[in-house]
Amino acid sequence: RKEVEQDPGPFNVPEGATVAFNCTYSNSASQSFFWYRQDCRKEPKLLMSVYSSGNEDGRFTAQLNRASQYISLLIRDSKLSDSATYLCAVWGNTGNQFYFGTGTSLTVIP
Amino acid sequence: GAVVSQHPSWVICKSGTSVKIECRSLDFQATTMFWYRQFPKQSLMLMATSNEGSKATYEQGVEKDKFLINHASLTLSTLTVTSAHPEDSSFYICSASSAEIRTSVHNEQFFGPGTRLTVL
Repeated sequence: RKEVEQDPGPFNVPEGATVAFNCTYSNSASQSFFWYRQDCRKEPKLLMSVYSSGNEDGRFTAQLNRASQYISLLIRDSKLSDSATYLCAVWGNTGNQFYFGTGTSLTVIP
Repeated sequence: GAVVSQHPSWVICKSGTSVKIECRSLDFQATTMFWYRQFPKQSLMLMATSNEGSKATYEQGVEKDKFLINHASLTLSTLTVTSAHPEDSSFYICSASSAEIRTSVHNEQFFGPGTRLTVL
């Protein structure tokens, strides 16, 4: 079983829409979770960490559900510049492995 | 701060040759470095984890004799793809973390810009 599972999409949404991505993880002992953004042919850039209480950064909101072992990312008022691949990531239980989901492709359409 | 560089950024080589990729942490000491491989339209797959001065820990399915990793100092790790073949063509990305830079329970990771390898 993969450490992290993610719906690859693609998601095609109009400007201004709200879109949500989910990601499930297999190891209940995992403690640290992140969302990254990756543009084509570039390295991933940290978007935000995911805290147990949920956290918000402008139009982006991240949530963690430990009981169901999933994390989510909500993007409100989508902009054209939000078009990218969004990857969730989880530290392995030993703290020595960092696993990515397959990534979800988002295209925001004018 | 917390910048990671990779060199080369782009390499084309003939089948059978070996290619070395360098990953450097420029302004911090990286206790751990990670190497990933990403095929087109796929996610980053962790290949191995290396701690300075120790042997790398390889993920299942990654041939340690083919992908040689050396982490000789706290600022440099190298990945050598030995006897490269066309199926090794991929985007190789390193990341580095430090016990001095933590934003969560675990250390934050900083990614290099990646190396695009094409084997003819």
